[in-house]
Amino acid sequence: QQQVKQSPQSLIVQKGGISIINCAYENTAFDYFPWYQQFPGKGPALLIAIRPDVSEKKEGRFTISFNKSAKQFSLHIMDSQPGDSATYFCAASGFWNQGGKLIFGQGTELSVKP
Amino acid sequence: DGGITQSPKYLFRKEGQNVTLSCEQNLNHDAMYWYRQDPGQGLRLIYYSQIVNDFQKGDIAEGYSVSREKKESFPLTVTSAQKNPTAFYLCASSRDRGGEQYFGPGTRLTVT
Repeated sequence: QQQVKQSPQSLIVQKGGISIINCAYENTAFDYFPWYQQFPGKGPALLIAIRPDVSEKKEGRFTISFNKSAKQFSLHIMDSQPGDSATYFCAASGFWNQGGKLIFGQGTELSVKP
Repeated sequence: DGGITQSPKYLFRKEGQNVTLSCEQNLNHDAMYWYRQDPGQGLRLIYYSQIVNDFQKGDIAEGYSVSREKKESFPLTVTSAQKNPTAFYLCASSRDRGGEQYFGPGTRLTVT
């Protein structure tokens, strides 16, 4: 009930292509879904986040698509660049759940080839 | 500059020794969190605090202890009771529970 499943584990995309990472959750009471970007040896940086009252949110080249009925959400990176090469984590939380703790997916290692 | 600082960046300890990791924030956030990250895995919650002088166990609290005497500070002690302490430790804070969480740069602890 508390899991967030993320796929794929790794992804290779050509420069200029679209990177798509998918996540599925189980608990319908989750109300906050962020995506984090992490470079090696660094802390995760908040990239973009969505709440269940909208189906899509776009910030620059990054878009979250949210499907409440399917309990799935995804990150799309348009015009992928080598500088986007990093590990991406999806997460889910609810303020009612242990202080709003984030439950993380396993991560996707993205490599953008020039 | 507002943010979260963690120190040290790298820490080496011998087995059987307790070690304390520092986390400080100047964002005026009420909630603070400690997560552990192991290679190829997502982050797991160790402890969290929603207010000064109060903290709660997370999913993997055994072998760890924390304190929250000041709003800005949330140190984590890794005790000798923690069976596999070698990991990357991340501190985070949010304005309130359920809000956006911002992470510090992390401390990599190696215990031999």
